[in-house]
Amino acid sequence: DAGITQSPRHKVTETGTPVTLRCHQTENHRYMYWYRQDPGHGLRLIHYSYGVKDTDKGEVSDGYSVSRSKTEDFLLTLESATSSQTSVYFCAISESVRTGPGGLFFGEGSRLTVL
Amino acid sequence: KQEVTQIPAALSVPEGENLVLNCSFTDSAIYNLQWFRQDPGKGLTSLLLIQSSQREQTSGRLNASLDKSSGRSTLYIAASQPGDSATYLCAVGGYQKVTFGTGTKLQVIP
Repeated sequence: DAGITQSPRHKVTETGTPVTLRCHQTENHRYMYWYRQDPGHGLRLIHYSYGVKDTDKGEVSDGYSVSRSKTEDFLLTLESATSSQTSVYFCAISESVRTGPGGLFFGEGSRLTVL
Repeated sequence: KQEVTQIPAALSVPEGENLVLNCSFTDSAIYNLQWFRQDPGKGLTSLLLIQSSQREQTSGRLNASLDKSSGRSTLYIAASQPGDSATYLCAVGGYQKVTFGTGTKLQVIP
């Protein structure tokens, strides 16, 4: 299994509070992604990173920011959480933007509930 | 815009049956296609990855095929077992973007 750790795995917070989710990888893969998974919508890309300090937006990036100061860590921040951001968040990694010979590898997910 | 469809959304079969899961995509300009399995409350586990130049990949009881020209991929599961019960997702890799289907939820009945 790919070495991907997400923290926290579960979090309950209140509307308007900031939240940071962390993804840590031990595979030294260049690309890291944050997805959210919601019933009826499947997996949607929030942001991705193609190197240290290099990030770009995905299809549902509003209300989210990311940072990558080290190859192994990719942080997702909700500056002011809203109920619509209640979801399961997945981190994924790949060797290349075309998902390389090994494809995408996923973490176990972080379940966020915004009350 | 790439659209990926998986039909049916849910499937229930008796143990031992061979089955086929379908994945259709609208844009044939893809780099690869990946099949995943997701158990309830868990992350996605990669099953098979097919590069655009390949026609199929096999792993144990699983065989995935790819027909780019028709925009279709199938995942064949031989001799299904209750432990195969999960949601199966396909993901189509395009230029700088991977598009996921919404999955087929499989239940294998003992």
